Amino acid sequence: QVQLQESGPRLVKPSETLSLICTVSGGSVSGGSDYWSWIRQPPGKGLEWIGYITYSGSINYNPALQSRVTISADTSKNQFSLKLRSVTVADTAMYYCARESPHPGKFDPWGQGTLVTVSS
Amino acid sequence: DIVLTQSPDSLAVSLGERATINCKSSRSVLFNSNNKNYLTWYQRKPGQPPKVLIYWASTRESGVPDRFSGSGSGTDFTLTITSLQAEDAAVYYCQQYHDRPTFGQGTKLEIK
Repeated sequence: QVQLQESGPRLVKPSETLSLICTVSGGSVSGGSDYWSWIRQPPGKGLEWIGYITYSGSINYNPALQSRVTISADTSKNQFSLKLRSVTVADTAMYYCARESPHPGKFDPWGQGTLVTVSS
Repeated sequence: DIVLTQSPDSLAVSLGERATINCKSSRSVLFNSNNKNYLTWYQRKPGQPPKVLIYWASTRESGVPDRFSGSGSGTDFTLTITSLQAEDAAVYYCQQYHDRPTFGQGTKLEIK
């Protein structure tokens, strides 16, 4: 059974870089046909897909965040990561990692999520 | 981006009754190549991540009670929960994958 767990700093200063890691167990970020994604939800707002990295290393980002986002994978540790540069208070959110299955187009499972606050 | 609008934003339904949640898409999420609607329903309880209930608009995820059902095609979709139980209290989301993935704003279900 695939499980995901987010880790990283919970507090980031404005203009700095938010960095999170998702550790995958029970599955492989470099195997199968699935994608590995980041999704966030600011307090009181909706869920927003940030982007994914595929089993083969291809990447796709939400255009709204593309200029500030980098998603990468460390296959030796079976992890994938998120970096979001030049953060503002608007980037305060619950950040989730999830396995993305393009057919049928669902996110399952999800990590428990980690709340990242941007504040000085 | 495809915009998903759920209705209502919240509802309160009595134990044992039926709840209906709607999801309207700004564009069709039907892929003609395989005649599948790329529309997924999730349930999220406090302190937990979303859990898949229904995918391809009407296919129930393994282990999900048959009280949960999905219907619809193209731009209009419905999640129906029959014989409501106390543990069904949650926020429900729809999500599309026809285009870049987007989610509905969520519907909060309270059990009376």
